Amino acid sequence: GAVVSQHPSWVICKSGTSVKIECRSLDFQATTMFWYRQFPKQSLMLMATSNEGSKATYEQGVEKDKFLINHASLTLSTLTVTSAHPEDSSFYICSADRRARGGEQFFGPGTRLTVL
Amino acid sequence: GENVEQHPSTLSVQEGDSAVIKCTYSDSASNYFPWYKQELGKRPQLIIDIRSNVGEKKDQRIAVTLNKTAKHFSLHITETQPEDSAVYFCAAVSYSGGGADGLTFGKGTHLIIQP
Repeated sequence: GAVVSQHPSWVICKSGTSVKIECRSLDFQATTMFWYRQFPKQSLMLMATSNEGSKATYEQGVEKDKFLINHASLTLSTLTVTSAHPEDSSFYICSADRRARGGEQFFGPGTRLTVL
Repeated sequence: GENVEQHPSTLSVQEGDSAVIKCTYSDSASNYFPWYKQELGKRPQLIIDIRSNVGEKKDQRIAVTLNKTAKHFSLHITETQPEDSAVYFCAAVSYSGGGADGLTFGKGTHLIIQP
């Protein structure tokens, strides 16, 4: 159990367009999901915390109007990169918090975004 | 907020030898410390974790130690094998019954196992 999926696995888009990434918990309900970004050869950096039914909490330096997060149900959170630019090219990974597992987070497979 | 420092950034060991990666954290409220192995282009894979109520945990060739007073924790891999080559990340987070915060990761250690 505790499987998290992410879609798409990779996407290439033109500068100025918007891209939506979905994160789903397949076999458990996730009240809280997290979005991370990982640039090449760097660590994972928390972007925002997504709470079902309420507004996301963004980390310092992350533009909430550029990275729109929606957590409409207990199994789905979406991240929309609006007006994407080449510097937004990165590996985006979501994770879900399963409270019964004492803090352990379950990661999706990640989405490789390339903005041309 | 939490700050996690990880050393070394690169570690090369001979196959069969042991490898040790060290991390320090700043927030005394952190109480859950996972270690992840990440291969290129893949998601982080949890290999071992420790909570603040224990000082050591072992799973076959992998062990983690935690010193809450000094705010540091370490990953120990014994009898290293070629398949242990990867990037390893430590992380720290505060967890309660109401849920957890997002993870704060160290910068990672590229472990190279020399044949």
